[in-house]
Amino acid sequence: DAGVIQSPRHEVTEMGQEVTLRCKPISGHDYLFWYRQTMMRGLELLIYFNNNVPIDDSGMPEDRFSAKMPNASFSTLKIQPSEPRDSAVYFCASSIEGGRNEQFFGPGTRLTVL
Amino acid sequence: DAKTTQPPSMDCAEGRAANLPCNHSTISGNEYVYWYRQIHSQGPQYIIHGLKNNETNEMASLIITEDRKSSTLILPHATLRDTAVYYCIVRVLAAGGTSYGKLTFGQGTILTVHP
Repeated sequence: DAGVIQSPRHEVTEMGQEVTLRCKPISGHDYLFWYRQTMMRGLELLIYFNNNVPIDDSGMPEDRFSAKMPNASFSTLKIQPSEPRDSAVYFCASSIEGGRNEQFFGPGTRLTVL
Repeated sequence: DAKTTQPPSMDCAEGRAANLPCNHSTISGNEYVYWYRQIHSQGPQYIIHGLKNNETNEMASLIITEDRKSSTLILPHATLRDTAVYYCIVRVLAAGGTSYGKLTFGQGTILTVHP
């Protein structure tokens, strides 16, 4: 299994541009999570899905952020328009209900907004 | 989810046991204790979890006090590759409700294993 796949691994963009981060969860997993990590705020949960349905988006910072999960094998996190304060590492994770409920994290996308 | 308190940093000599403490005095009866670690520039990785009994796996041991207000993660023979940030998290596992599935990360403990 390839694990959770995220793309791109690095993104550099200019303020005001639209940014789309992509995630492919582990096959068969029914939960998908988006996290953001910065030095100031640490690792924060932004939103999570269960069976492609958003369950809790209380961590989404503002309307500029949106996330979708059109099917069980793909999710996107979009920032429009991007701002320098959005610079962070964005992690996607997936898990399956039951067992140890372990979340498997992807390698992250390092976003820099100039 | 209950709040956890961990020391900001710890050191350990290679080959010795690393004992990482965590306080979770407001833990509820249905909340589990989870430990994750994050090696530099990587995503967090699950280590172990438990409810009230001590647990052991190939990576570590978890000791939970009888009153469940604190726990200790033990890496029995630390190696240089164990240098990482270790997060202690308490979470509900019962299905249903928006708290299910969420991991709330604190600042964690930076463990440095030195030769």
